[in-house]
Formats: sequence, structure tokens, C-alpha cells
Amino acid sequence: GDSVTQMEGPVTLSEEAFLTINCTYTATGYPSLFWYVQYPGEGLQLLLKATKADDKGSNKGFEATYRKETTSFHLEKGSVQVSDSAVYFCALSDRGGQLTFGSGTQLTVLP
Amino acid sequence: DTEVTQTPKHLVMGMTNKKSLKCEQHMGHRAMYWYKQKAKKPPELMFVYSYEKLSINESVPSRFSPECPNSSLLNLHLHALQPEDSALYLCASSQVGRDPYNEQFFGPGTRLTVL
Repeated sequence: GDSVTQMEGPVTLSEEAFLTINCTYTATGYPSLFWYVQYPGEGLQLLLKATKADDKGSNKGFEATYRKETTSFHLEKGSVQVSDSAVYFCALSDRGGQLTFGSGTQLTVLP
Repeated sequence: DTEVTQTPKHLVMGMTNKKSLKCEQHMGHRAMYWYKQKAKKPPELMFVYSYEKLSINESVPSRFSPECPNSSLLNLHLHALQPEDSALYLCASSQVGRDPYNEQFFGPGTRLTVL
């Protein structure tokens, strides 16, 4: 079945540091890929998505590129802020429309 | 309106109580979902409704009873819960179809504590 493997956390960075959170997936078809973010005490918000190979999703300075050859969708941001502290979930959606989530990565950004 | 709302925000209940969680969306989505999320874990799918009919039940205990009275509303009725049922309950909605592009929109969740 489908699965998503996500970089283990927690990740702690200083403000303005470069962020990478690795995500790889296994799927039989051609899934859509998503990054969701969950701020403390809140629900999940869609951060960005990509629906086909080589698509780049971007939002709020975050980027991720759908790499079919490496089955990856790594999340990057050039300069993180304290307000980016949250849990980040990589996820895929298959032809059935159901989401398969990675385990989540806790990011803490220190001032 | 791209918002999914959930009430209440917090709920504390005893093991003999009956309570309900409510979810509402006005995006015209015809698929709605209930997830359970434990601390520091990803959401776990519980139920899926498609066109107001239950399409997926992920072997959820009968003490959780979902209901979809119309295309905008989704309820989760709770009865005789156990302390291990304490979690964040998330509602989501999406367009219907076997289209992987159909992203799910999540509500803020209800934080449930069972004493």
C-alpha cells in the first residue's frame, strides 16, 4: 500500500536558518503530494501541494518539488522565522482521494 | 468561504456521558471526514461520508456514531467513551471523486478529554 516516510524530528533551528524536511513516498499510481502544517493547539492547514511530476508547490516562502525519479517531496525554506514553529506533515492522496500521512516533524525556531 | 468550523473547541466528558461533536462547511464539498489525532501523531481516518452516505468506516468502535444530516453538516455522537479516546478530533471536507487533486480542508478540531 501507499506510505510516506518523513524526516524524524524534532528539528531546532535559529531564526533565518535554512530549513529542509525530507519526505519520500511509496505509491502504486500517480499520487498528489501535500505538505500540511499544524500550529500549536490548531487543526491542519494546507501549506502547499503538487499534483504531477516536476511540479513545484510554494507558499509563504516554503517550497517543495515533486520528484518522481527519487519519489521525494522535500520541504524547504530559505530563512525560517519563529512563527514557523509547528508540526509539518507530508501526505499523499491516491486515486481514492484518501490521505496517507507521514509521521510529522516538529520544528522549533529559536530567536 | 473556505472554512471548516467545528464545535465545541474543547469538551470534557465522563465515561457515562453522551455528547456530540459538530462540523460545518459551506464550500459545496460533498465528501466529509472524521479523523482522530493523538499528541505528536498524524491524524487517523475514522469515517468518510460521500454525498451524505457513509462510505468508509475504519473499524471504529460503536461508541462513536457519525451522522451526516445534510451536505453541509457532519456530527460525531459519543457515548460510553474510554479515557484512551481522549484526543483531538478533526473534521475535513473535499470535493468528491477519485481525483487525487481533491485536497482536504481541515477544521480546527475539538479537543476531547474523557475522565
